[in-house]
Amino acid sequence: AQSVSQHNHHVILSEAASLELGCNYSYGGTVNLFWYVQYPGQHLQLLLKYFSGDPLVKGIKGFEAEFIKSKFSFNLRKPSVQWSDTAEYFCAVTPGGGYQKVTFGTGTKLQVIP
Amino acid sequence: EAQVTQNPRYLITVTGKKLTVTCSQNMNHEYMSWYRQDPGLGLRQIYYSMNVEVTDKGDVPEGYKVSRKEKRNFPLILESPSPNQTSLYFCASSLQGVGVGTEAFFGQGTRLTVV
Repeated sequence: AQSVSQHNHHVILSEAASLELGCNYSYGGTVNLFWYVQYPGQHLQLLLKYFSGDPLVKGIKGFEAEFIKSKFSFNLRKPSVQWSDTAEYFCAVTPGGGYQKVTFGTGTKLQVIP
Repeated sequence: EAQVTQNPRYLITVTGKKLTVTCSQNMNHEYMSWYRQDPGLGLRQIYYSMNVEVTDKGDVPEGYKVSRKEKRNFPLILESPSPNQTSLYFCASSLQGVGVGTEAFFGQGTRLTVV
């Protein structure tokens, strides 16, 4: 069975600082990877996803993530955060091939200080 | 508008009183699932359904039931709720299961308190 680790539980940044949130997964085969964002009081929304091809994936709102297969990682990055990026971020993984159970990480709370 | 609708949004109930949380999607998605979100534990999958009349257990199925009689609906049933089921619940749907290239669409969540 797959598992996901997000080592940063709570991150505090000033506006304009760069962001990198770690995500490592454990699974022996091909995987599909996701980052979701949950703004305060709201449901989860997709930020970006990786299935195949270019390991550098660009998502909405200036976010990107890089899949490094050798490191089993899918870290989320943003060059310059804004106050509106304050939210909780979840990494998720599912084995490739359809009809598979999704496993989420425990989430990282990002607080951006104006 | 494409959406996943959960009801109710908030619910306070007493131990042992059966309850149902409804979930409906209007995107003709085959795959639906239920998650619970608890502080420090992230989202954990309760049950999922790959299509009508096809359901399977997720990571934390104990104390829950589901049914999928119609493609659009996937209710979550707590036959005898207990305080440890106090949580924030999310329903999600996607085409054919997330592993084939589509993302999950989430409902707004149901905050359940069992006293």
